[in-house]
Amino acid sequence: DAKTTQPNSMESNEEEPVHLPCNHSTISGTDYIHWYRQLPSQGPEYVIHGLTSNVNNRMASLAIAEDRKSSTLILHRATLRDAAVYYCILRGGGSNYKLTFGKGTLLTVNP
Amino acid sequence: ETGVTQTPRHLVMGMTNKKSLKCEQHLGHNAMYWYKQSAKKPLELMFVYNFKEQTENNSVPSRFSPECPNSSHLFLHLHTLQPEDSALYLCASSQEIADRGRDEQYFGPGTRLTVT
Repeated sequence: DAKTTQPNSMESNEEEPVHLPCNHSTISGTDYIHWYRQLPSQGPEYVIHGLTSNVNNRMASLAIAEDRKSSTLILHRATLRDAAVYYCILRGGGSNYKLTFGKGTLLTVNP
Repeated sequence: ETGVTQTPRHLVMGMTNKKSLKCEQHLGHNAMYWYKQSAKKPLELMFVYNFKEQTENNSVPSRFSPECPNSSHLFLHLHTLQPEDSALYLCASSQEIADRGRDEQYFGPGTRLTVT
């Protein structure tokens, strides 16, 4: 399975942008890059996903490198409610359709 | 409102008890999943159902028995569990098992299980 590498933790200040990096150097051409987050005492929550082009939705933006070996989840203005563990996951065809969670990045947002 | 509900939210059971966890999704999805999240370990996929048929059993011990009577409901029957089975059990659903990895999964809040 294609794997991802994320920093264990990051810290941000409220109302500032946050850039969460993810490396996936063994990504295959059909793998989608998914991001989920898990707030304390809750189940994971879908954030965004993309294949090659940058993506935007109401929660975040996803910037994908041209060679697709890395990506960055961008929270434009962090709030205290964004404090969570963020998971970067590759999903593709065949048996790789499953969500395989790693350790993720623990984001702390300071008031 | 995630559209996926789980009951109970908390459960304490002895090793000789039999209990069941319930999951219901109100999203019109056709695929449902059970995950286990132990302390300080990543989420582990346990079972997958697609259109009520089990398509994945991730080497889960037989003391965990899933049941999917229809696309909206998923159960996890528990019997003779061990203390190491204490964990957060999460249910999720998606439109279906898409073989291209594009679909999103929606998770419930989980059941916190403690085995004494």
